[in-house]
Amino acid sequence: AQKVTQAQTEISVVEKEDVTLDCVYETRDTTYYLFWYKQPPSGELVFLIRRNSFDEQNEISGRYSWNFQKSTSSFNFTITASQVVDSAVYFCALSENPGTYKYIFGTGTRLKVLA
Amino acid sequence: GAVVSQHPSWVICKSGTSVKIECRSLDFQATTMFWYRQFPKQSLMLMATSNEGSKATYEQGVEKDKFLINHASLTLSTLTVTSAHPEDSSFYICSARIRQISYEQYFGPGTRLTVT
Repeated sequence: AQKVTQAQTEISVVEKEDVTLDCVYETRDTTYYLFWYKQPPSGELVFLIRRNSFDEQNEISGRYSWNFQKSTSSFNFTITASQVVDSAVYFCALSENPGTYKYIFGTGTRLKVLA
Repeated sequence: GAVVSQHPSWVICKSGTSVKIECRSLDFQATTMFWYRQFPKQSLMLMATSNEGSKATYEQGVEKDKFLINHASLTLSTLTVTSAHPEDSSFYICSARIRQISYEQYFGPGTRLTVT
């Protein structure tokens, strides 16, 4: 069965610290997609990144970076020099393609960045 | 592009009444729309998948007679919560899949439902 595990329920860091959010997934398919979303207090999901199963290159976007390792079924997200505005709940999600196109969401990690 | 809207953004209704939530894809045709429910401090749980012109497919444990989904066009899906009860109070989020791009969903801003 497909599953996404975000073991860290809540993380608190002080501003300017680096923080890594973990995501471990399970799937039997060889073709799939992984996503990260940010959900601020307003509730609207903000898309951060999409990665397909054939692309294991790590990606950096400003202060954000992602490490995708198929060998450990992990897709971790690092925020460098965290800021108070990064405080939110972050969700990792898995989608299989072809298939039902459903997303399986992890339970989310609540990040609190303290000033 | 790829904007999804929801209306209303929040609604308060009395127990026993029905409430309809609309989900629209504003600048693309959505072959499939998804409805999620999110309780406070919990993850998004998929309720149902709706394809234009056909009946919605509900996830296990979701009452199809209570949560009526209609996907009447390629840009509109509606979720009607019938005979709402306080336990139906939740944050409802829809998403839409673009016809040509199968793997990606675009999410609406959500609707906060409070049943008193």
